[in-house]
Amino acid sequence: DQQVKQNSPSLSVQEGRISILNCDYTNSMFDYFLWYKKYPAEGPTFLISISSIKDKNEDGRFTVFLNKSAKHLSLHIVPSQPGDSAVYFCAASVNSGGSNYKLTFGKGTLLTVNP
Amino acid sequence: EAGVTQFPSHSVIEKGQTVTLRCDPISGHDNLYWYRRVMGKEIKFLLHFVKESKQDESGMPNNRFLAERTGGTYSTLKVQPAELEDSGVYFCASSQGFTGGWADTQYFGPGTRLTVL
Repeated sequence: DQQVKQNSPSLSVQEGRISILNCDYTNSMFDYFLWYKKYPAEGPTFLISISSIKDKNEDGRFTVFLNKSAKHLSLHIVPSQPGDSAVYFCAASVNSGGSNYKLTFGKGTLLTVNP
Repeated sequence: EAGVTQFPSHSVIEKGQTVTLRCDPISGHDNLYWYRRVMGKEIKFLLHFVKESKQDESGMPNNRFLAERTGGTYSTLKVQPAELEDSGVYFCASSQGFTGGWADTQYFGPGTRLTVL
């Protein structure tokens, strides 16, 4: 049973426009969420994270929004650049009261930014 | 500062053989994680070390998989004997450790692509 779902396998946007990648989760114990970017033949690279006490976190062109009641988060990239083309993974973990922060990943969304 | 390194980058073996994957975490990182991505599926957790101790090995598929982290530095993941379904990309990640706030970031290595024929 998949606890983290990325329902769009792929997304294509024009350079300069906004890219919105979505992620849903089912485990209400998750309280820390991350986005990773992955290029072919490389490992996932950390992009941005958000804890459950916030509903928004921003870092340059990247903003993550968290809607706890809907168990939904999204990653906004604006403006999108061709170098952003990669697979984006949503991941979640349970942090409160424990010491094991294993990540549960979605299947990923392939973002293609067209020049 | 060197990132997480993994060796080999690619391994092709026959069913029934043994393979050992190695991960060198970022220097000073106490936490080391192993993950696996089977083709077409999500990246899945295998196990977690804190220094040399196994904190959680709930994701290990079966007893054909053995992970070690001698001296709390590098880690090895041995598959013996390998089966066809073990094919996939094995990622290692490391993090500094819990510092009293939210969990710190896990940094991933490039992965080892294992193909079992």
